[in-house]
Amino acid sequence: GDSVTQMEGPVTLSEEAFLTINCTYTATGYPSLFWYVQYPGEGLQLLLKATKADDKGSNKGFEATYRKETTSFHLEKGSVQVSDSAVYFCALSYPYNTDKLIFGTGTRLQVFP
Amino acid sequence: DTAVSQTPKYLVTQMGNDKSIKCEQNLGHDTMYWYKQDSKKFLKIMFSYNNKELIINETVPNRFSPKSPDKAHLNLHINSLELGDSAVYFCASSQGDKISYEQYFGPGTRLTVT
Repeated sequence: GDSVTQMEGPVTLSEEAFLTINCTYTATGYPSLFWYVQYPGEGLQLLLKATKADDKGSNKGFEATYRKETTSFHLEKGSVQVSDSAVYFCALSYPYNTDKLIFGTGTRLQVFP
Repeated sequence: DTAVSQTPKYLVTQMGNDKSIKCEQNLGHDTMYWYKQDSKKFLKIMFSYNNKELIINETVPNRFSPKSPDKAHLNLHINSLELGDSAVYFCASSQGDKISYEQYFGPGTRLTVT
């Protein structure tokens, strides 16, 4: 079946450091890929998405590229801020099928000043 | 304006009780979902409804019964609560037009069963 694997957290960084959170997926078809972010005490918000191979999603300085050859969708940011501290979820879905999101286990990011 | 709202935000109850969680969206979406997030933050789909019709039921115990009185509401009723039901439950909605893809999540309801 389909699944998403994320790197274990927490990821602890100093402000302005470079961030990478790894995400790989197993899919039976051609899914769309997403990164969602959950700030403390809140629900999930869509951070970025990519709907086909080689697409790059970007938002708020975060980027991720849909790599079909490596089945990956790694999240990157060049310079993190304290306000980026949150839990990040990689997910996939088939919008033309059931549309349900299949999530990875989440990676907690802690950024210190 | 709150896009997806849930009530209550916190729910503490004893084993064996029956409880409901309500969800409302004012986005005009026609698809709504319930997700469960366990203590390790793992998120899993439970149900989805499209225009009041059940689309997804992910082998959830039949103690859980979703009800959609109209396409703006999707409530979750849980019978005979068990300790393992303790989790955060998130409601979400999407346009369902297979184009916009984004699901909008509510703030969550933290259920604690004692």
